Amino acid sequence: GQNIDQPTEMTATEGAIVQINCTYQTSGFNGLFWYQQHAGEAPTFLSYNVLDGLEEKGRFSSFLSRSKGYSYLLLKELQMKDSASYLCAVMDSNYQLIWGAGTKLIIKP
Amino acid sequence: DTEVTQTPKHLVMGMTNKKSLKCEQHMGHRAMYWYKQKAKKPPELMFVYSYEKLSINESVPSRFSPECPNSSLLNLHLHALQPEDSALYLCASSQEESSGANVLTFGAGSRLTVL
Repeated sequence: GQNIDQPTEMTATEGAIVQINCTYQTSGFNGLFWYQQHAGEAPTFLSYNVLDGLEEKGRFSSFLSRSKGYSYLLLKELQMKDSASYLCAVMDSNYQLIWGAGTKLIIKP
Repeated sequence: DTEVTQTPKHLVMGMTNKKSLKCEQHMGHRAMYWYKQKAKKPPELMFVYSYEKLSINESVPSRFSPECPNSSLLNLHLHALQPEDSALYLCASSQEESSGANVLTFGAGSRLTVL
């Protein structure tokens, strides 16, 4: 079966760095996405990785290792507005998105 | 215009009512999606339209009926719903359905409550 695992909840301090991990087992691989979703709002796109390595976008970076079925989202200089759920999603061989359950990130002052 | 617009934002309906959710995008995207999302769960795919044709129906009950009148509009017709259908219904669009970097742009959602 297809499976994506990410921690249910994480807590971090304002100004710090946090890493949210995602491991996956899917039928084929056509890329991995990270989305941010604030409570009661729509998911918004953060990053896309299809090749191994690190993609950096401002305070957010995403890493992929296809051989390990592993990705992480790194958030630096955390701000209170970063409190949200972070969803990992993998596009399988049929170009279907398989979603993880999401990681709720709580930022404390 | 880089948005997906959904109406209404909130909808309360009885189990015998008929209502519709509407979605609109003007980004020239050729794929449009309906997702259902329950609290603290990831989005669940319901339907995909590609070039105005239904390409995926994820075994959704017939009380949900999608319609794509043109390339910019997507509707979800609701009839005889059950209380367990209460959820956030998200519309999304993307450039193409079957491409690698297929970034979805989501609307703000329609929060549905079935009494």
